[in-house]
Order: sequence, then C-alpha cells, then structure tokens
Amino acid sequence: GNSVTQMEGPVTLSEEAFLTINCTYTATGYPSLFWYVQYPGEGLQLLLKATKADDKGSNKGFEATYRKETTSFHLEKGSVQVSDSAVYFCALEKPNTGNQFYFGTGTSLTVIP
Amino acid sequence: GAVVSQHPSRVICKSGTSVKIECRSLDFQATTMFWYRQFPKQSLMLMATSNEGSKATYEQGVEKDKFLINHASLTLSTLTVTSAHPEDSSFYICSARPPLGWGNQPQHFGDGTRLSIL
Repeated sequence: GNSVTQMEGPVTLSEEAFLTINCTYTATGYPSLFWYVQYPGEGLQLLLKATKADDKGSNKGFEATYRKETTSFHLEKGSVQVSDSAVYFCALEKPNTGNQFYFGTGTSLTVIP
Repeated sequence: GAVVSQHPSRVICKSGTSVKIECRSLDFQATTMFWYRQFPKQSLMLMATSNEGSKATYEQGVEKDKFLINHASLTLSTLTVTSAHPEDSSFYICSARPPLGWGNQPQHFGDGTRLSIL
C-alpha cells in the first residue's frame, strides 16, 4: 500500500539553527513527493516537490531530495527563522490516480528568537 | 489571496444535527475536488473524491450515507455530515485540482473546518 511516515513533533529550535524533518514513504509504483506547510490560521500551501528519484525540490531555503534507495524525502533548512514556525506535512501522490494524496501526520515547528 | 475558500471555519452543534461544509474554488473551474479528514495528531485522510456532475468516489471505510458529497457546479463542492455524533468531531479539509497547466500545484487546499459535535 501507500503510506507516509513523518518525524513526530513538536520541534523547537532557536533562530538560525539547522532543521531536519524526516519523512519516509511506502508506495507502489513511482509516486511524486511533496512537502506542504500550514502557517497558523492558514490552509495548506505547497512548499516544494520532487517528481522522480534524485530530484531535489527547493523553496524559501528549504530542500528535500527524493531518495528511492532509502524511500525518503527529508526536509532540511540550514538556518531557520521565526517566520518558519508552522506545521509541515510530507505527502506522496499516488501515481496515475488523478492526484490522490497520502499525508504524514505533520510536524509542528516552533522557532524561538 | 485564497484560491480555495472553505466555509464555515468552525462549527459547534448538537448531536443529531446535519452539518453542511462548503468548498469553493475561487480562481479556476475544478472538475475534481477532494475531501480530507484529520484526527488529532494523525494524518490527513482522504475521505472521497468529488467529481463535478457525477457521484463522488469514497475511500474504503467511509460511509457514503453519512458523508454526503455534492459537486453540482465547477466551483462548489459540499460535504454534509448527516445526523452528526460526537465521533464525527474532527477537522475537515477540502482541496481543488486545477486544470492542466494552471499553476504548479496539483491541489489547492481550503483552510479547513473544525467540527465539534456536543
């Protein structure tokens, strides 16, 4: 089957610290992988994506690499800011299904000054 | 601004009441919308795929008579929780799939509806 396992939170970091949020997946076929972010009081927004093995998605200083050999898509940022405080969701898109998504449980990140 | 509008954002009602949640696509026509449910500290779980002009496709284990979905126009899908009970309390999120070539996101999400049944 298809599933996403995401690092549990909450995570609290000081400003400018390095961030890693782990995500591994199980899928049949070759899914696309995504990180979504939900800022307080807002809806889910696409942060970055990768559609095939070894692709690296990047946006706003965040990066994640599609690792087929380890079935992982870990999210990283070298220096977090207070404005990065949000809930982050890892997700996969089931291939050839017209966008059926499977989400991880979400990881809450709080960055303190 | 918001691409998908979901209303209401929060509703509290008595057990036995039916509750309707609306999901509107503001910037594009959406032939396909999705409804998700999120329990505390758990994943967003896909409940059903809403197809304009036809019946919704429900995921395994989701009661179609309990969660009525109507997608009567290209910009509106509604989810009605019929005869709601406390176990239906949850966070419901809708999303809309844009037409091919519209933007770079496969789905646009609403802000969610927090449903609390007393």
